Amino acid sequence: GAVVSQHPSWVICKSGTSVKIECRSLDFQATTMFWYRQFPKQSLMLMATSNEGSKATYEQGVEKDKFLINHASLTLSTLTVTSAHPEDSSFYICSARRAGVQETQYFGPGTRLLVL
Amino acid sequence: QKEVEQNSGPLSVPEGAIASLNCTYSDRGSQSFFWYRQYSGKSPELIMFIYSNGDKEDGRFTAQLNKASQYVSLLIRDSQPSDSATYLCAVNVGFQKLVFGTGTRLLVSP
Repeated sequence: GAVVSQHPSWVICKSGTSVKIECRSLDFQATTMFWYRQFPKQSLMLMATSNEGSKATYEQGVEKDKFLINHASLTLSTLTVTSAHPEDSSFYICSARRAGVQETQYFGPGTRLLVL
Repeated sequence: QKEVEQNSGPLSVPEGAIASLNCTYSDRGSQSFFWYRQYSGKSPELIMFIYSNGDKEDGRFTAQLNKASQYVSLLIRDSQPSDSATYLCAVNVGFQKLVFGTGTRLLVSP
């Protein structure tokens, strides 16, 4: 168990448009989901922590009005990149923490975003 | 000082050898420690977690934790070319968050 899916896996969009990425825990309930960004040859950078039914907690330097996070259910969190620009091009990865199982995070397959 | 430090590598080992990957962390309050494997272009995959001092074995993998020295390691026995990847050490900070090291790139040559 502990399967996390992301959709879409690839997205190419024009500068100024908004892109929504979905993260789903398929076989367990996730009270907490996390959104990371990874640039080439760099490590994972946590963007925000998303708790079901409450507002997301954003890391320092991450614009909450640009990266909108919604965690409407125990199995679904969405990240919307609003007014995307080329510098937002990156690998976006979500993870889900299994309820009741300490801090173990299971990662989705990631979404590659290319903004032209 | 970075919260989680790893040597970036690459660490090169021949097939069949033991690969030893190391990680140090700065937060003495950390209680949970994780090793993830990340193949190029893919997302991280959980290999092992360890909470208590000492060794924890799972197949060819052994995680070692020394809280007094703030040190956690991962040993891979009988290394295979398919083990070639970047290995990320992660440590809990506070209640929910994990902080990741920059990863060690492992190359296993046939």
